[in-house]
Amino acid sequence: KAGVTQTPRYLIKTRGQQVTLSCSPISGHRSVSWYQQTPGQGLQFLFEYFSETQRNKGNFPGRFSGRQFSNSRSEMNVSTLELGDSALYLCASSPGEVSYEQYFGPGTRLTVT
Amino acid sequence: GDSVTQMEGPVTLSEEAFLTINCTYTATGYPSLFWYVQYPGEGLQLLLKATKADDKGSNKGFEATYRKETTSFHLEKGSVQVSDSAVYFCALSKTGANNLFFGTGTRLTVIP
Repeated sequence: KAGVTQTPRYLIKTRGQQVTLSCSPISGHRSVSWYQQTPGQGLQFLFEYFSETQRNKGNFPGRFSGRQFSNSRSEMNVSTLELGDSALYLCASSPGEVSYEQYFGPGTRLTVT
Repeated sequence: GDSVTQMEGPVTLSEEAFLTINCTYTATGYPSLFWYVQYPGEGLQLLLKATKADDKGSNKGFEATYRKETTSFHLEKGSVQVSDSAVYFCALSKTGANNLFFGTGTRLTVIP
């Protein structure tokens, strides 16, 4: 079974621009979560989607948003990029509504200049 | 709120040495506890988990026991290898939720 895939793997954007990151979960998985990883703040939870509905949201500003499609693929969008948004964005998928295991993708490295 | 406190790193050990990475947590109820490992340039991989008190998770020679009385989930390995060099993250999830709360990570370097 193919793992979680994320595209693109690397991205460079300018302050003020917006960006969309994509995540394809493991086939059959219906839950997708997003995390931000930075050297200063570590790994922080952004949001989780299950069956196209956002179930949980972390403590991030409204510039960060996401969605999930009927095939469970998910996108996250960051508008009005700031330098501090430079990070590794990780996507994880889980089989069901409540799962004990999350499977992570390789991440998208976003650099904001 | 819910949080995980993890031993500061980095940790450098010689091959075949004993490893302990401390992890304590704060959470209401009965969270599930995890150790994830991140190799250079890669995403996170689940190393082991425990879903209730006194459970012992184990994988690839690593072990951790869910201790509710001390709110701890320390990671141990009896004999580390160079290939174990990575960053290790302790994490918890609340009952009924898929989102994880992570510790700060501990970088382990094993030298031959």
